[in-house]
Amino acid sequence: RKEVEQDPGPFNVPEGATVAFNCTYSNSASQSFFWYRQDCRKEPKLLMSVYSSGNEDGRFTAQLNRASQYISLLIRDSKLSDSATYLCVVRGSSNTGKLIFGQGTTLQVKP
Amino acid sequence: DARVTQTPRHKVTEMGQEVTMRCQPILGHNTVFWYRQTMMQGLELLAYFRNRAPLDDSGMPKDRFSAEMPDATLATLKIQPSEPRDSAVYFCASGSQAGVWGNEQFFGPGTRLTVL
Repeated sequence: RKEVEQDPGPFNVPEGATVAFNCTYSNSASQSFFWYRQDCRKEPKLLMSVYSSGNEDGRFTAQLNRASQYISLLIRDSKLSDSATYLCVVRGSSNTGKLIFGQGTTLQVKP
Repeated sequence: DARVTQTPRHKVTEMGQEVTMRCQPILGHNTVFWYRQTMMQGLELLAYFRNRAPLDDSGMPKDRFSAEMPDATLATLKIQPSEPRDSAVYFCASGSQAGVWGNEQFFGPGTRLTVL
């Protein structure tokens, strides 16, 4: 079982749709959580950190459920420019601290 | 606009040849990471440095891979000898330390390696 699991998709949605991605992680000692975005043939870039209380950045909302070891990303009013791969990222316990990347979920927003 | 730079951007080589990839971290960043990305495995951490000292290279095949930071402005990843299974995109990332692992990691554009 992978340490961070995501549905690879692709998710094909029309412009304006709301789409949600989910991610589960196996290490209950994980301390920090992030969503990165990666465009085709480009490098990953930090989209947002995920806080325990949940957090929002414009059209993007991230949620964390530590009990279920589950992270989500909600994109509202999706734009063509949101088309990308979204990587769920987990930082381990303080002893290891590695960033573990999920395989990514591909989103394609259609006109 | 500070960014991580990597050279070469593309490399095609034959099996058995030595490959050296270079990375210039963002000025002032004291952590440097090397990742490999393939379709099958996704992003894997190969090695990381803090203040130029190697802290974790457990993800790196030791027999053929080596990573160094000769100075604060240069990190290198070397494969000798290269094999077709090494074909991947190799990313370098840098960050500034806040705690052991720091916060955001800034990725370079990657080196796309093809070993024939």
